[in-house]
Amino acid sequence: DGGITQSPKYLFRKEGQNVTLSCEQNLNHDAMYWYRQDPGQGLRLIYYSQIVNDFQKGDIAEGYSVSREKKESFPLTVTSAQKNPTAFYLCASSSGQENIQYFGAGTRLSVL
Amino acid sequence: QQQVKQSPQSLIVQKGGISIINCAYENTAFDYFPWYQQFPGKGPALLIAIRPDVSEKKEGRFTISFNKSAKQFSLHIMDSQPGDSATYFCAASSKGSARQLTFGSGTQLTVLP
Repeated sequence: DGGITQSPKYLFRKEGQNVTLSCEQNLNHDAMYWYRQDPGQGLRLIYYSQIVNDFQKGDIAEGYSVSREKKESFPLTVTSAQKNPTAFYLCASSSGQENIQYFGAGTRLSVL
Repeated sequence: QQQVKQSPQSLIVQKGGISIINCAYENTAFDYFPWYQQFPGKGPALLIAIRPDVSEKKEGRFTISFNKSAKQFSLHIMDSQPGDSATYFCAASSKGSARQLTFGSGTQLTVLP
């Protein structure tokens, strides 16, 4: 079953805590992305990676960190520096000239 | 200018009616315009996409109309069904931006039975 798997589906963060969201793909895509979705604001790019061991900041990278040690995996850490982390987080991957992006089912992060 | 402006924010249509969602952009380097459909609690899924060398693309009940001179494009859903109720996002990308997608703010469509 090919696709993008995000886990967990729901996540709760305590104040001062770092949490890590998992994203795994078996589509053999080179590029992977993390977006944040807030009501009425569409999708905003946090980080993206076009190749293993390389990644770039998106529009709202502050308070987040990523790694890309394997082609299949692109975990996102929401650090304690992110003061408003409550949102729906979406991971995507793509390949090909037109960069058609395929999305996972998302992780909903809330603050306790 | 990277922004893509989408309207309306929400739309209510009767079953069998036509749903129309509009998007406008400023960046003339954009050359790929996809539309995504998102159901509650799910990730967006690619619905239909167009390049600016054509003015219209149709797939089933879904049609994209593209006006290059006005820098506008729109999604038309013909014979709208309750199952079409979802949030729709337009997006745009260009080669120069490493094909990053810039998304509109989304339109929540409700089709009444």
